[in-house]
Amino acid sequence: SYELTQPPSVSVSPGQTARITCSGDALPKQYAYWYQQKPGQAPVLVIYKDSERPSGIPERFSGSSSGTTVTLTISGVQAEDEADYYCQSADSSGTLGVFGGGTKLTVL
Amino acid sequence: EVQLVQSGAEVKKPGESLKISCKGSGYSFTSYWIGWVRQMPGKGLEWMGIIYPGDSDTRYSPSFQGQVTISADKSISTAYLQWSSLKASDTAMYYCARGPYYDILTGYPVAPLPFDYWGQGTLVTVSS
Repeated sequence: SYELTQPPSVSVSPGQTARITCSGDALPKQYAYWYQQKPGQAPVLVIYKDSERPSGIPERFSGSSSGTTVTLTISGVQAEDEADYYCQSADSSGTLGVFGGGTKLTVL
Repeated sequence: EVQLVQSGAEVKKPGESLKISCKGSGYSFTSYWIGWVRQMPGKGLEWMGIIYPGDSDTRYSPSFQGQVTISADKSISTAYLQWSSLKASDTAMYYCARGPYYDILTGYPVAPLPFDYWGQGTLVTVSS
C-alpha cells in the first residue's frame, strides 16, 4: 500500500527554523496537507495544497514541494509549536487519503 | 460555526458490536465529505475511510476495508462508524473530520482531502 515517509523526530531551539519532510512517490501529482496535533487534542490543519495557509494559522508556518518530497517549514519556532506533525496526501489512485507516520517536533 | 460532535467514550468486550456517531452542524452536511481517522494509543493518524452524505458514496482504505462500516443519515446530519465484532486491537481514539466540498456535477475534487474541521474524538476501549 502507498506510504508517506516522515522523520520520527526533529529538534530545534526557540527562534530557529524547523523543517519537516514528507516523501512519497505520488507527491509530484497530488497535493500535500499538513496537520499539527498537540497532546490530548484533535489535529489542526496548518497547510493545504502544498503551500497554502488556512486563516488563523501563523505566517511562520509555510509549505513547499519539490519532486517526491514536500516540506513543512516553521520559521522562528516558538515553544507552543512543540507538537506532532503529520503530512497527508492522496494515494496513487488519487481517490483515497493517507497520512505520513508523523514527526515529533521538540523545542529545546 | 462548523461543529462536529462525536458520541461518548465506549468500553466493550471482544466480539461485541459498536456504532459511534458524529453529528455535523453549521454547514451543509450533504455537500461535504466526512471521514474517519484512527489513532491507536501513542501512535500516528490513520486514514480509515470517507463518505459523501449527498449520495452515500463511500471509500475505504485497504487496511480498513471489510473491518468497519461507514454510513451516514443525512436527515439528522450524522455520520457513523461501526464494527460488527470488536477486537482488542480496535482500542483507539477515533476522530471524524470534514472533508472538502464536493461538486457532484463536476466530480471535483477527485481526492477527498483535506480535513478542515475535526470532532473531539471518541475513545473506544476493547477489553475482556
